[in-house]
Amino acid sequence: EAQVTQNPRYLITVTGKKLTVTCSQNMNHEYMSWYRQDPGLGLRQIYYSMNVEVTDKGDVPEGYKVSRKEKRNFPLILESPSPNQTSLYFCASSSLRGELFFGEGSRLTVL
Amino acid sequence: GEDVEQSLFLSVREGDSSVINCTYTDSSSTYLYWYKQEPGAGLQLLTYIFSNMDMKQDQRLTVLLNKKDKHLSLRIADTQTGDSAIYFCAEIPAGMDSSYKLIFGSGTRLLVRP
Repeated sequence: EAQVTQNPRYLITVTGKKLTVTCSQNMNHEYMSWYRQDPGLGLRQIYYSMNVEVTDKGDVPEGYKVSRKEKRNFPLILESPSPNQTSLYFCASSSLRGELFFGEGSRLTVL
Repeated sequence: GEDVEQSLFLSVREGDSSVINCTYTDSSSTYLYWYKQEPGAGLQLLTYIFSNMDMKQDQRLTVLLNKKDKHLSLRIADTQTGDSAIYFCAEIPAGMDSSYKLIFGSGTRLLVRP
């Protein structure tokens, strides 16, 4: 089954404690992206990657890092989380001209 | 810059038609999309329209595009309780030809009353 898998789905952490949200896709897609969803703001792009070792900033990259060492994986790293990073995070992937497939989301709370 | 706007909430009675509206600013957008987000889930592509089309129909869904007014709408006929979800309008800005720079609206929450 074609899917985008994110982990963890839910996480409560404290300010400053590094965390990583993993994302994996099994469709051999070149493109992967991270979004955050906040009430009234829709989806905002954090980072995206066009292929292995190719990443670029989206609209709200501050406080986040990403890496793309393998085609299937695109982890999102919060080196020092802060309360304003409390949000619902989505990973997505697509072929370069294709439909965007989304993971089920990771709800992060930073206390 | 690019911007996509939607009203935040729509409530309809089961069996009625729903119309969700969206306005966008980039008149050169190539593709415009509607995504659906059910509770606790990610977004799923519902339908899309290419910018040289005025209308697209797919079963209960009708997409209308008014390029002059930069207005996109999604009509759902015979709305069911299972249609309750958040609907996102999205565009690919001019000069882009893939999903990597999709611009999303804030989403319209559709509530279908029995």
